Amino acid sequence: AQSVTQPDIHITVSEGASLELRCNYSYGATPYLFWYVQSPGQGLQLLLKYFSGDTLVQGIKGFEAEFKRSQSSFNLRKPSVHWSDAAEYFCAVAELTSGGSYIPTFGRGTSLIVHP
Amino acid sequence: KAGVTQTPRYLIKTRGQQVTLSCSPISGHRSVSWYQQTPGQGLQFLFEYFSETQRNKGNFPGRFSGRQFSNSRSEMNVSTLELGDSALYLCASSLVSKNTEAFFGQGTRLTVV
Repeated sequence: AQSVTQPDIHITVSEGASLELRCNYSYGATPYLFWYVQSPGQGLQLLLKYFSGDTLVQGIKGFEAEFKRSQSSFNLRKPSVHWSDAAEYFCAVAELTSGGSYIPTFGRGTSLIVHP
Repeated sequence: KAGVTQTPRYLIKTRGQQVTLSCSPISGHRSVSWYQQTPGQGLQFLFEYFSETQRNKGNFPGRFSGRQFSNSRSEMNVSTLELGDSALYLCASSLVSKNTEAFFGQGTRLTVV
């Protein structure tokens, strides 16, 4: 069964500093990988996704993620964090179901705190 | 273009009651999925509908059910509410039939007392 591990429950960074959020997945075949962000009281917003092709994926809000098959990782990065990036970040892995669609399994999330 | 709309935003129910939550997907989206989010269990998949048919179902008891209408709007129902059903229920819709890019609503916060 597919699973996702986000090792860091909380991460604190200073505004302007770089950011890397870790994500490790367990899945037999080629996974569909996602990163979502959730602000307090809001739903999830898709930052980026990866299925195949270039292993470095660009997303919205200046985020990028790198797929490393050998490490089963899909870490999210941002070169310079803004205070508005403070939120909960979720990594997800999805497999194609017998129903013909991709249903994501989410990690437990990493809470990003940004200090001024 | 309007996003995914979930109603109501907040709900308080008593144990043993039943509840119905509503989700209006983005116009043109035919896939609708439901998730339960709790501090203890995180985000868990409930079910997915496409063109009024349930395509996938998560590992939840039969008290949780859903349906989708011809206009793609979806409802989920929870019967015989338990305290543990208190959660944020999120709905997501997708234009792509394989559900590879889901757009989430703001959720319905259900509190069972």
